[in-house]
Amino acid sequence: DIQMTQSPSSLSASVGDRVTITCRASQGISNSLAWYQQRPGRVPQLLIYAASTLQSGVPSRFSGSGSGTDFTLTITSLQPEDVATYYCQKYNRAPFTFGPGTKVVIK
Amino acid sequence: QLQLQESGPGLVKPSETLSLSCIVSGDSKNSSYYDWGWIRQSPGKGLEWIGSTSYSGPTFYNPSLKSRVSISKDASTSQVSLRLSSVTAADTAVYYCARHGARVTTIAVVRFYYMDVWGKGTAVTVSS
Repeated sequence: DIQMTQSPSSLSASVGDRVTITCRASQGISNSLAWYQQRPGRVPQLLIYAASTLQSGVPSRFSGSGSGTDFTLTITSLQPEDVATYYCQKYNRAPFTFGPGTKVVIK
Repeated sequence: QLQLQESGPGLVKPSETLSLSCIVSGDSKNSSYYDWGWIRQSPGKGLEWIGSTSYSGPTFYNPSLKSRVSISKDASTSQVSLRLSSVTAADTAVYYCARHGARVTTIAVVRFYYMDVWGKGTAVTVSS
């Protein structure tokens, strides 16, 4: 099965900073990659699918890129409400594995 | 607006079978176009995909749980069910049901296995 890794596992950044999170698949998955945000104590929410398509209602400061095995989630200007854990997930074929998550906190 | 509501016992004894239901409401007319999944999150841990099903297509399971899990959808009741047998403390988690994505056109439905709508989750503790 394809394994998903994320880096870093956690990061601390200031409000307004540009934040980049990396997700890597152990084998190519084309663009079948989604990103989720889970705020503390809340339900996960879909941010991005097809590696770079923004889900309806998601702020434009979020963006995704990549294809094959390497993907990135970028927050162009970190806001206090972006404090959360971010997960990637592959969905090209089962099993639809999640990455281990990246915790983002405000410095 | 589509809503998913998980329900089930909050406490299950070790070695017993956990049974959860997810009621789909608010958009039942179109629910047949979509596939449905279960995901869990152990305390302080990440997200773990359990399995996914549709009422007319295949069912997929996490290989690590496949021998113990069963997922089904009842189109007549708009309910998605999860059964997990021989539970242990390691199965203590918040269990979420979710809708998978789809692109619906007049000639075809293309399904994608990301999760675009989530229920609020139900907490399950395995303990004697």
